[in-house]
Amino acid sequence: DTGVSQNPRHKITKRGQNVTFRCDPISEHNRLYWYRQTLGQGPEFLTYFQNEAQLEKSRLLSDRFSAERPKGSFSTLEIQRTEQGDSAMYLCASSFRTGGGDTQYFGPGTRLTVL
Amino acid sequence: GNSVTQMEGPVTLSEEAFLTINCTYTATGYPSLFWYVQYPGEGLQLLLKATKADDKGSNKGFEATYRKETTSFHLEKGSVQVSDSAVYFCALSHTNAGKSTFGDGTTLTVKP
Repeated sequence: DTGVSQNPRHKITKRGQNVTFRCDPISEHNRLYWYRQTLGQGPEFLTYFQNEAQLEKSRLLSDRFSAERPKGSFSTLEIQRTEQGDSAMYLCASSFRTGGGDTQYFGPGTRLTVL
Repeated sequence: GNSVTQMEGPVTLSEEAFLTINCTYTATGYPSLFWYVQYPGEGLQLLLKATKADDKGSNKGFEATYRKETTSFHLEKGSVQVSDSAVYFCALSHTNAGKSTFGDGTTLTVKP
């Protein structure tokens, strides 16, 4: 068990560019989540997958955001035409669905800075 | 919708002091409740959890009891250490809903 990994750890881009982040969950976990965290706030839910199916998307996830999880393994989060307001830490988490409440294991995050 | 409210920080304590960080929630049904900790420069880590009313979660000397009557899940530790300095997040989730709802975090600084 190597934990949840995210790449890149840091990304600096210019406004209007597209960026893509990758998350590799813990191997036996069937759920994968994306959150966004800004300074001084808790993580805000963006979307989650159970296996390869995207089961829920937050209203925070505008049309410029898209996430995929092909084959139910790693996931990518793409932001098109980035805006300065997209600057944040993007967190990925994974869990194995049980009957007692999901315990989510978080990756280190990708810090996005949009200039 | 669901929401989590944590006491505002930052909290500064001397080593060996008693710690309480308040957390209250609003949710339908019976969510599971969690405390996560984020040490400087690191990712979120699960500290403890409770899945039903009156359950007590505990880990590393920290405790929290799921109080449905007061919709609270306050974090306590009897004697804090400098190494406990971190940001603490209270969160809830429903088994079938998947996503977690987090509070805004409370920064704890413990001075020797």
